[in-house]
Amino acid sequence: NAGVTQTPKFQVLKTGQSMTLQCAQDMNHNSMYWYRQDPGMGLRLIYYSASEGTTDKGEVPNGYNVSRLNKREFSLRLESAAPSQTSVYFCASSSGVTGNEKLFFGSGTQLSVL
Amino acid sequence: GNSVTQMEGPVTLSEEAFLTINCTYTATGYPSLFWYVQYPGEGLQLLLKATKADDKGSNKGFEATYRKETTSFHLEKGSVQVSDSAVYFCALSDRDTNAGKSTFGDGTTLTVKP
Repeated sequence: NAGVTQTPKFQVLKTGQSMTLQCAQDMNHNSMYWYRQDPGMGLRLIYYSASEGTTDKGEVPNGYNVSRLNKREFSLRLESAAPSQTSVYFCASSSGVTGNEKLFFGSGTQLSVL
Repeated sequence: GNSVTQMEGPVTLSEEAFLTINCTYTATGYPSLFWYVQYPGEGLQLLLKATKADDKGSNKGFEATYRKETTSFHLEKGSVQVSDSAVYFCALSDRDTNAGKSTFGDGTTLTVKP
């Protein structure tokens, strides 16, 4: 079972460059999420999609955009990367029916912006 | 808003020692509570959860009880092993939104020495 698949695993960008992080899940989940993980700060929600066709801002959305391409895929785009966006990014999904469901995480993307 | 506070780490224990990692929360509604574990180089995975007051979640020898009166969800294990070395995150999920958005603590790094 693949679960949640993220690509790429590692990426180095120069300030001002753009890139898209890809995420796909094969569990027929309704809800998908993008988090960033920084040392000593836990995970912070960037954007989420409660269902296909909807997206909403999380705690730290500035500098990011997202697309829920279909039920399986949820991408995160950095239009003009900044050093402050150096972080580990995690995609997650859940069935999201009642709010009691656990999150399933991808293995993460380590992004460095120079 | 919602927030989760975990005891600060890192925590270093000898094999077979007793583990407690404290977690307290603030929530506007009636949340579900989770403990996630992250092994090096991997995404987070669910360790255990509890969805209502006085429920006890348990898995792999770890336990945590949902205490509404003290707004706490402390993680315990009677005898830790070297393989338990990881980062542990306490989280809550806001049921009111039905989006399953989760709020995470900062994480506690556990190292178990032989």
